[in-house]
Amino acid sequence: DQQVKQNSPSLSVQEGRISILNCDYTNSMFDYFLWYKKYPAEGPTFLISISSIKDKNEDGRFTVFLNKSAKHLSLHIVPSQPGDSAVYFCAARGLGSQGNLIFGKGTKLSVKP
Amino acid sequence: DAGVTQSPTHLIKTRGQHVTLRCSPISGHKSVSWYQQVLGQGPQFIFQYYEKEERGRGNFPDRFSARQFPNYSSELNVNALLLGDSALYLCASSSDRGGWYGYTFGSGTRLTVV
Repeated sequence: DQQVKQNSPSLSVQEGRISILNCDYTNSMFDYFLWYKKYPAEGPTFLISISSIKDKNEDGRFTVFLNKSAKHLSLHIVPSQPGDSAVYFCAARGLGSQGNLIFGKGTKLSVKP
Repeated sequence: DAGVTQSPTHLIKTRGQHVTLRCSPISGHKSVSWYQQVLGQGPQFIFQYYEKEERGRGNFPDRFSARQFPNYSSELNVNALLLGDSALYLCASSSDRGGWYGYTFGSGTRLTVV
């Protein structure tokens, strides 16, 4: 039973346009949500996070939105660049979980020049 | 400044064998976590160690064990390897127990069981 779901295995976007990556969760006991980016042959790299008490966090081209009532979060990348092409993982940390993360299956983003 | 280093980078083992994977956290980081990433899936939590004690364990069989040394480096051991243990094993370190200041992942060890 997946607690963190990324239902789109892939997404293709034109350079300069907006990329929107989506993530749904089933457990209301998560206190923090994170997005990681992963290139082949590398470990996941932290991108941006959001506390469950917030609904938006922005860092440069990256913005994460959290809709608690819908148990949904999204990562917006504007403008998208070819170097953004990677697999993006949504992760959640449970309250009192001692810090371990629960990951979605990932979405492969391709940004075409 | 060195990041999280894992060794070896690739490994091929035969079913039934034992394997040891190693991880050196970022200097000053006291917490090390291990994750397994099977092809097409997200990383799945195996263990967390903080200050040399096990602080969390995921849903993995007892064939999986780990430990953390006084210098905060860590080993992941897997006994009686199965084909299904083939995966990328990731180590992540953080400065605190709860990961409030973020986790930094290593590049992983690619284990293939034949």
